[in-house]
Amino acid sequence: DIQMTQSPSSLSASVGDRVTITCRASQSISSYLNWYQQKPGKAPKLLIYAASSLQSGVPSRFSGSGSGTDFTLTISSLQPEDFATYYCQQSYSTLTYTFGQGTKLEIK
Amino acid sequence: QVQLQESGPGLVKPSETLSLTCTVSGGSISSYYWSWIRQPPGKGLEWIGYIYYSGSTNYNPSLKSRVTISVDTSKNQFSLKLSSVTAADTAVYYCARQGSIAVAGRDYYYYYYYMDVWGKGTTVTVSS
Repeated sequence: DIQMTQSPSSLSASVGDRVTITCRASQSISSYLNWYQQKPGKAPKLLIYAASSLQSGVPSRFSGSGSGTDFTLTISSLQPEDFATYYCQQSYSTLTYTFGQGTKLEIK
Repeated sequence: QVQLQESGPGLVKPSETLSLTCTVSGGSISSYYWSWIRQPPGKGLEWIGYIYYSGSTNYNPSLKSRVTISVDTSKNQFSLKLSSVTAADTAVYYCARQGSIAVAGRDYYYYYYYMDVWGKGTTVTVSS
């Protein structure tokens, strides 16, 4: 199975900060990488697909980059509604999808 | 706008079978893959498996021996059965649609899949 490792596991930041979350795959997954945001008690929401494509309706302050094994999710200027947990997910192996363990973004 | 709604018992006894249904509204179940994902309390997301509207399936190897996903296109529903449950199966269970884009390569198309529409989730507790 392809393992996905996110760093950091948790992060404290302030409104207006630029934040970067990293996701590393245990083998090359090309650009088959998605990012989701989850708020407490809610279902995950798709932010980025195919490593860098912004899902319709998602603010442009969110961006994704990377290919192969290393990927990043960047929030250019944190807004109060962005405090949530973020997950990466690989879809390279269509036999077994795997998620990262999550990164909890908290208010400093 | 497509919406998904999970339904089923919130309490299941150990060793019994968990059964959930996801109803698709606002669109057709046809031409898409549909997934089940779960999240134990305080933990991360775990993909359980998916089904194509035609009935072909794929399951997480760690759950494969206990999982069955089926589809009923006439009702615009797909379902999850998880047998021989234990307390470790206590979780919020989500259903989701797999969207996709096709990117032309030199010799063929590459398909990128992602879960773009999610249900709200339903909590299932395994306890006697």
